[in-house]
Amino acid sequence: DIQMTQSPASLSASLGETVSIECLASEGISNDLAWYQQKSGKSPQLLIYAASRLQDGVPSRFSGSGSGTRYSLKISGMQPEDEADYFCQQSYKYPYTFGAGTKLELK
Amino acid sequence: QVQLQQSGAELVKPGTSVKLSCKASGYTFTSNHMNWIKQTTGQGLEWIGIINPGSGGTSYNVKFKGKATLTVDKSSSTAFMQLSSLTPEDSAVYYCASGVYYGPLIGYVMDAWGQGASVTVSS
Repeated sequence: DIQMTQSPASLSASLGETVSIECLASEGISNDLAWYQQKSGKSPQLLIYAASRLQDGVPSRFSGSGSGTRYSLKISGMQPEDEADYFCQQSYKYPYTFGAGTKLELK
Repeated sequence: QVQLQQSGAELVKPGTSVKLSCKASGYTFTSNHMNWIKQTTGQGLEWIGIINPGSGGTSYNVKFKGKATLTVDKSSSTAFMQLSSLTPEDSAVYYCASGVYYGPLIGYVMDAWGQGASVTVSS
C-alpha cells in the first residue's frame, strides 16, 4: 500500500497568517492527490484534486502544489472558518490511502 | 448537485451484521463509482472499497475483504455496504463517497461524500 505521511499533526495560526501542510507519499503518485477539509462533526469536503486544481466553490486562498512524492496545501490568509482537520488522499493506486490528518486551529 | 443520503446510526451486538445504505441523487447513478470509507479516531480514514453501479464490479481493500460487501440497487439509486461478524473494532463512522475518473490529466476524484453513519458495536 502507498503510505501517506502528513505533517504537521497540528498547527495553530493567527488570523491572516499563511499556513502550509505537507504530504509525502511512499512512492510516486503522479499528481493523483486530493486535499479534504473536515469540520467537527461533518463529512470531509473536497478542496483540491489532481494536486493543484481548486474544487468549485472553494475560496481561492486555498492552493495545492507538488509532484512525484511531495505535495502541499497552502492557505493564504487564515480565516476563522478554516479551523478544521485537513487530510490528503492518493488515488493513484488501490487501496486509496489517506494521510493521518492535520488539526488546524486559530491562535 | 450530487447528494448522498446515508442511513442512520446503528447500535449492534458483536457477531452480528449491519447493512448501511447510501441514496444518491442529482446525477445519473450509474455514471459514478461509489466508494466506502471508514473513520475512527485511532486509525483515521481508511478506504474500504469501490463499486461500479453500472456493472456491479467491485474492488476491496485487502484489509476489509470478508468484512465488507458492497452492492447497489439501480432502481432506487442506492448503494449498500454490509459489514459482517462485527467486533468492537468495527465501531466507526462510515462514509460513502461518489467518485469519477476524469481522464489521465485529472485522474480519479471523490467529490461528494455522504453525511456519515455511526456504527457502534457493543454488547
